[in-house]
Amino acid sequence: QQQVKQSPQSLIVQKGGISIINCAYENTAFDYFPWYQQFPGKGPALLIAIRPDVSEKKEGRFTISFNKSAKQFSLHIMDSQPGDSATYFCAASVATGTYKYIFGTGTRLKVLA
Amino acid sequence: GAVVSQHPSWVICKSGTSVKIECRSLDFQATTMFWYRQFPKQSLMLMATSNEGSKATYEQGVEKDKFLINHASLTLSTLTVTSAHPEDSSFYICSARDAGPSSYNSPLHFGNGTRLTVT
Repeated sequence: QQQVKQSPQSLIVQKGGISIINCAYENTAFDYFPWYQQFPGKGPALLIAIRPDVSEKKEGRFTISFNKSAKQFSLHIMDSQPGDSATYFCAASVATGTYKYIFGTGTRLKVLA
Repeated sequence: GAVVSQHPSWVICKSGTSVKIECRSLDFQATTMFWYRQFPKQSLMLMATSNEGSKATYEQGVEKDKFLINHASLTLSTLTVTSAHPEDSSFYICSARDAGPSSYNSPLHFGNGTRLTVT
């Protein structure tokens, strides 16, 4: 019940295309859902995050869509660029207590020039 | 923005020696820090939760005598890998949250990780 399932494992997208990464969770106590971007040899960097009281959040080319009833959320990268090539992790946490994050398994995105 | 500094960025040590990794929150106070381990092309595995002024909480399967955690101040946590062996070679990453008044909405910020190689 503590798992966060992420798909696909890897993704190849043409420059200018839309990259879509999906995550699903079981624990209805989760109430904070961030996405992190990680480049090789670096720590994860926060990209965008959403709480379950909204269904969508957009920041620049990055959009999170959230479906509370289905317990699913997804990251959309519009106009994907080669510089977006990285590993993306979704996560879920409960916004009380220790705020321990449960991470998805990661998606390696490659954007072709 | 919130910055978490981790040092060293890489370290090579001989089997049987101990290695200390530092994690500092540079512009905010963190009552709680988290230590993760990441194997190549895999997700982040939470090792332990470091609490300022108290004992760390270790995840199941993580040896607390092998991975010593000390959170001596609101801006510093250290992870010491004791009697390191080649199987301890990995990428270790710390993270921290701002414990200030607006902390309810503050996310985890990660350091840039430490690549440990035990020969």
